[in-house]
Amino acid sequence: KAGVTQTPRYLIKTRGQQVTLSCSPISGHRSVSWYQQTPGQGLQFLFEYFSETQRNKGNFPGRFSGRQFSNSRSEMNVSTLELGDSALYLCASSPNPFSYNSPLHFGNGTRLTVT
Amino acid sequence: AQTVTQSQPEMSVQEAETVTLSCTYDTSESDYYLFWYKQPPSRQMILVIRQEAYKQQNATENRFSVNFQKAAKSFSLKISDSQLGDAAMYFCAYRMITGANSKLTFGKGITLSVRP
Repeated sequence: KAGVTQTPRYLIKTRGQQVTLSCSPISGHRSVSWYQQTPGQGLQFLFEYFSETQRNKGNFPGRFSGRQFSNSRSEMNVSTLELGDSALYLCASSPNPFSYNSPLHFGNGTRLTVT
Repeated sequence: AQTVTQSQPEMSVQEAETVTLSCTYDTSESDYYLFWYKQPPSRQMILVIRQEAYKQQNATENRFSVNFQKAAKSFSLKISDSQLGDAAMYFCAYRMITGANSKLTFGKGITLSVRP
């Protein structure tokens, strides 16, 4: 079974631009979560999607948004990029938000650098 | 709000020896899950071990075991017979069992190095 796939692996953008990151969950997994990882703040929860609906949202500005498609694939978008948005963005999938015993399965992340 | 604290930023262990990584958390919930994840240089977070709070018995997975002290809100990870491949960042994480969401709250992580 293929794991969680995130594309692209690396991105370099300029301040003010926008960026879209993609995540394909494990087959059969319908819940997708996004996390931002930085050396200073560690891993912070961005949002979670299930059945194309946002179930939960972290404490990030409105520049961060996401969506989920009917095939459970998810994208996150960051508009008006700032230097502080440079981070590793991790996507994780699970069967559904109610499967508490099921661990999250993570992708390899997208390394975003904003210059 | 739940918080997870890993107070040791770095640790080092000799190959074949045992090391314990500490984690404390704060919650008002009575049931929840706790996890240890490993993140090698490849960046992918890999589940090491998990523990459900209502289970008294400490979880064990091969060379990895936990010491779960619910009253003290402590969840330490013991790695026995350390191997070079164990070198990575280790994150302790908390998941509540309400709210129908998969959100994990992570600690800041600890970098483990293994000396040959």
